Amino acid sequence: GENVEQHPSTLSVQEGDSAVIKCTYSDSASNYFPWYKQELGKRPQLIIDIRSNVGEKKDQRIAVTLNKTAKHFSLHITETQPEDSAVYFCAAIPFRTNAGKSTFGDGTTLTVKP
Amino acid sequence: DAGVTQSPTHLIKTRGQQVTLRCSPKSGHDTVSWYQQALGQGPQFIFQYYEEEERQRGNFPDRFSGHQFPNYSSELNVNALLLGDSALYLCASSLRTTGDEKLFFGSGTQLSVL
Repeated sequence: GENVEQHPSTLSVQEGDSAVIKCTYSDSASNYFPWYKQELGKRPQLIIDIRSNVGEKKDQRIAVTLNKTAKHFSLHITETQPEDSAVYFCAAIPFRTNAGKSTFGDGTTLTVKP
Repeated sequence: DAGVTQSPTHLIKTRGQQVTLRCSPKSGHDTVSWYQQALGQGPQFIFQYYEEEERQRGNFPDRFSGHQFPNYSSELNVNALLLGDSALYLCASSLRTTGDEKLFFGSGTQLSVL
């Protein structure tokens, strides 16, 4: 089955700096890669996603890049703010071929220091 | 527009007991997926329901079972509870008929097995 590895497990940055979180996946059938933000005691919320036919996607301060050949994708947050502090999860989903059988990484705890 | 709702929010059970968790999908969604999230880990896929049938299943024993009703709501049942079943159980809904793979999560049910 699919295996998703996420690094680093913890990340601390100064406000205004950039943060990068990386995930690798093993199943080449995976073709949809969402990122979720989970604040303490709250539900995971989708912040950005990318499909396998796209190499990069950006939404304001957040961007995701995908390298299908190397089977890795990354979340980039620029100009970090204290409210970006949360746990971030990546996921790999073989949508259409095995719809819904999503595999999540173990999360990255991001701390943005004011 | 109601989001994904889960009940109860917290539950305490003892070993060997059975539990039922409930989920109402986001308005307009037709697919419900269940996840187990242990402390400090990413969500682990349990199974997915669409058109009242289990469509995909993760690596969980058959003590974990589910159901989807005609109104798309769903239940997760766990029999013969073990201490290791203590976790946050998340429900996520999506819209399969249009091929929209975005998952929207509920706030979860925190299950404690004593």
